[in-house]
Amino acid sequence: DGGITQSPKYLFRKEGQNVTLSCEQNLNHDAMYWYRQDPGQGLRLIYYSQIVNDFQKGDIAEGYSVSREKKESFPLTVTSAQKNPTAFYLCASSSTERETQYFGPGTRLLVL
Amino acid sequence: EDKVVQSPLSLVVHEGDTVTLNCSYEVTNFRSLLWYKQEKKAPTFLFMLTSSGIEKKSGRLSSILDKKELFSILNITATQTGDSAIYLCAVEARNNAGNMLTFGGGTRLMVKP
Repeated sequence: DGGITQSPKYLFRKEGQNVTLSCEQNLNHDAMYWYRQDPGQGLRLIYYSQIVNDFQKGDIAEGYSVSREKKESFPLTVTSAQKNPTAFYLCASSSTERETQYFGPGTRLLVL
Repeated sequence: EDKVVQSPLSLVVHEGDTVTLNCSYEVTNFRSLLWYKQEKKAPTFLFMLTSSGIEKKSGRLSSILDKKELFSILNITATQTGDSAIYLCAVEARNNAGNMLTFGGGTRLMVKP
């Protein structure tokens, strides 16, 4: 089946720890995105990538890092510099920047 | 598994027309339904609906939620070419770990002059 997957579904982080959220798509999409959603708020763009080996910061990139070594994969690392990491993280992909974005099921990150 | 379905998939209208976009859902522990407009990289937030029967309005856009029949509609009156976009519906649900968001597949609206 074609689609976009994220893992894990839930993730617990200790203070000062880096964690990596996985996002994989088999839709042959060029563009991929990471968003953060907090309760009662809209989506906020963390990072996006329009092509392999290239990515740009979104509106709230501080405390996060990404890589795009393969077209199918766009992992997000939440570093210890991110002071308020507890949130719901969504990954999306689209064939081009202006096409429909398809969203993954999300990862819920909790800080212990 | 939570599910959100939007219809129609795409729509072409002329300026001045009124359009209605649909979003139906099946989720456990419903918290809210959100509408977004996607033109560029990040979808922009339009409405958040939590209560049935209360219309939310912003200019020519309005939306209402029916929690009994599990759907929402987004209306756009007197459409303009600038309304051309992909409209996304998402449902927020809560479980023990916190809130989760499930998106529909979107409706692509094209408004012709």
